[in-house]
Amino acid sequence: ETGVTQSPTHLIKTRGQQVTLRCSSQSGHNTVSWYQQALGQGPQFIFQYYREEENGRGNFPPRFSGLQFPNYSSELNVNALELDDSALYLCASSLASSGTYEQYFGPGTRLTVT
Amino acid sequence: DQQVKQNSPSLSVQEGRISILNCDYTNSMFDYFLWYKKYPAEGPTFLISISSIKDKNEDGRFTVFLNKSAKHLSLHIVPSQPGDSAVYFCAASPTGWNAGNMLTFGGGTRLMVKP
Repeated sequence: ETGVTQSPTHLIKTRGQQVTLRCSSQSGHNTVSWYQQALGQGPQFIFQYYREEENGRGNFPPRFSGLQFPNYSSELNVNALELDDSALYLCASSLASSGTYEQYFGPGTRLTVT
Repeated sequence: DQQVKQNSPSLSVQEGRISILNCDYTNSMFDYFLWYKKYPAEGPTFLISISSIKDKNEDGRFTVFLNKSAKHLSLHIVPSQPGDSAVYFCAASPTGWNAGNMLTFGGGTRLMVKP
């Protein structure tokens, strides 16, 4: 069973630029959620994708967008980067309708905006 | 407005003793609760969960207790081991079709187990 993988591991961008982060789900999972974890805080829900459509969104502006592909992998895109976007971005996969609510996380992508 | 709170940012215990990590929530719609453990440079790892229809769930050294009337849950680790040293996050979710895929996390408690 393959776990959740994310790429890249680290990324440095300049304010105003755009970034794309990638995630491969755990095998057998059909739902992907993205979280932002600022330093010293718990992860905050950005959005979730199920069957290639956004299926729930947290309190993040539209410049945070995503995609889910037929193989259940996913991308997180952030436009017009701001300094406050510097954080660890976590992807989590799960199986909808499994009767449980556990999500399984990847190692994250550390984004630094300068 | 933090819907899930972990009021102790850190906890230090001696190896072999009990570790008790606490979590409070405010949203009455939450009825499924999870604990995650996080090591540096790794993503959170699922530890144990509990549904609101139960008040206790046990898995080896880990037990989660839920007091729904007090909107409080706790994680007990007995006996504590140095390898348990990590940041522990409490998370909560409503249930229902796909509702459970949005987890709300607390701020975390750093547990240090001293040999």
